[in-house]
Amino acid sequence: AQSVTQLDSHVSVSEGTPVLLRCNYSSSYSPSLFWYVQHPNKGLQLLLKYTSAATLVKGINGFEAEFKKSETSFHLTKPSAHMSDAAEYFCVVSPSTSGTYKYIFGTGTRLKVLA
Amino acid sequence: NAGVTQTPKFQVLKTGQSMTLQCAQDMNHNSMYWYRQDPGMGLRLIYYSASEGTTDKGEVPNGYNVSRLNKREFSLRLESAAPSQTSVYFCASRGQGEQFFGPGTRLTVL
Repeated sequence: AQSVTQLDSHVSVSEGTPVLLRCNYSSSYSPSLFWYVQHPNKGLQLLLKYTSAATLVKGINGFEAEFKKSETSFHLTKPSAHMSDAAEYFCVVSPSTSGTYKYIFGTGTRLKVLA
Repeated sequence: NAGVTQTPKFQVLKTGQSMTLQCAQDMNHNSMYWYRQDPGMGLRLIYYSASEGTTDKGEVPNGYNVSRLNKREFSLRLESAAPSQTSVYFCASRGQGEQFFGPGTRLTVL
C-alpha cells in the first residue's frame, strides 16, 4: 500500500531564512513523487516532480527536493524564504506501475513567512 | 489553452437538494479525477476515470456519482446533498505523469 506523511502541519520561518518541509512516503513500487503548492483560495500548482531520474529535483521559484530511497523521504527545501512563499504545500505519491492512476496526498504543511 | 475548468465557483445548497459540478479539460488527457479538500485532511479522491467510458471509486465515493461524458468532460453529481458534503471540490486531469488542477468549487450545504 502507498501512503505519504507530512511531518509538520505548520512551519514558520523568517523572510530570507531557509525553508524545510518534510515528507516521508511508503510505496511497494518505485514511486513518482510530487510537491504541489496552494495559495489561499486558489487551485494547486505543481512545484516539482521526481520520476526516477536525478534524485535532486529542481522546481519553480527556487524550490528543490531530494529523493532519498534509504530514508523513504522527499523533503522540500528553499535556501531563502520570500513572503510570497506563504501557502500550503502538499507532498504526493503515485506508484509507478502501468495502469495505476491514483495519487495519494499528504495532509499538507502550511508555511508562514514572517517579515 | 484553458487547461482544466470547473463550474460553478461557488454554490450554496440546502440539505436534500441535488446538483452537478462540471469539469472540462482541453489537454486531450485520458485520465480525470474528482477530489474534495477539507481542513487538515489534504485532498481525498472521490472518483476517477482512467479513460473515456470508465469510472472507478476512490477513497470517499459515498453520496456521489460521476459521468465521463466524453474525453473532455467529467461531471460530479450530488443526488441528495448533506452538510457533511460541505467542502472544496477539485477536478484534475493527468498528463505526462502529473496532474493538472482546476480552480475548485466551494460548496456549502446548509
